[in-house]
Amino acid sequence: DADVTQTPRNRITKTGKRIMLECSQTKGHDRMYWYRQDPGLGLRLIYYSFDVKDINKGEISDGYSVSRQAQAKFSLSLESAIPNQTALYFCATGTGAGYEQFFGPGTRLTVL
Amino acid sequence: SQQGEEDPQALSIQEGENATMNCSYKTSINNLQWYRQNSGRGLVHLILIRSNEREKHSGRLRVTLDTSKKSSSLLITASRAADTASYFCATVRNDYKLSFGAGTTVTVRA
Repeated sequence: DADVTQTPRNRITKTGKRIMLECSQTKGHDRMYWYRQDPGLGLRLIYYSFDVKDINKGEISDGYSVSRQAQAKFSLSLESAIPNQTALYFCATGTGAGYEQFFGPGTRLTVL
Repeated sequence: SQQGEEDPQALSIQEGENATMNCSYKTSINNLQWYRQNSGRGLVHLILIRSNEREKHSGRLRVTLDTSKKSSSLLITASRAADTASYFCATVRNDYKLSFGAGTTVTVRA
């Protein structure tokens, strides 16, 4: 969905490096989410934000941090990447509690 | 933790046939949603069914919800090659967060 963009789309990095994944949206939604997808496990919620001053931990926040720089931008950082953080990462936006979410195209991250 | 579990894990059908997949969950929900994911791409919302609804339709999609059995089904009628994708159910509880299952991979053969 072009309304939610993620950069980079692919990234290969080494253990111990700091990585930032960025998400931008033009949908005007207040709510933004970061998920990780591993084969056979579906999507798991890492962090979410309901507005610029609101940050909440999700199911698997350890090893990750986020920054909500503006309503339209939500970044995910891996402070010191490790191989088991190799996964597909998705950003999503939403209009309200429990309503449908709109996903970006994903970032494929490989940690060697 | 994953609330929903899809069944089967994988499904292969001939073009024109119907595809049915199921989702079971463990605790009470506010609503249940189905999403489609084409290979390596972002998820696309298909349909949302609220806990007080039993059936919803959207084009060739039919979703049912049985809260007594804590299960939902997604039926795709008259399948097409473009329906080849993974399908995920996502349950929404009173915390209003989506909890995804592991998905059903559907392959439609020409």
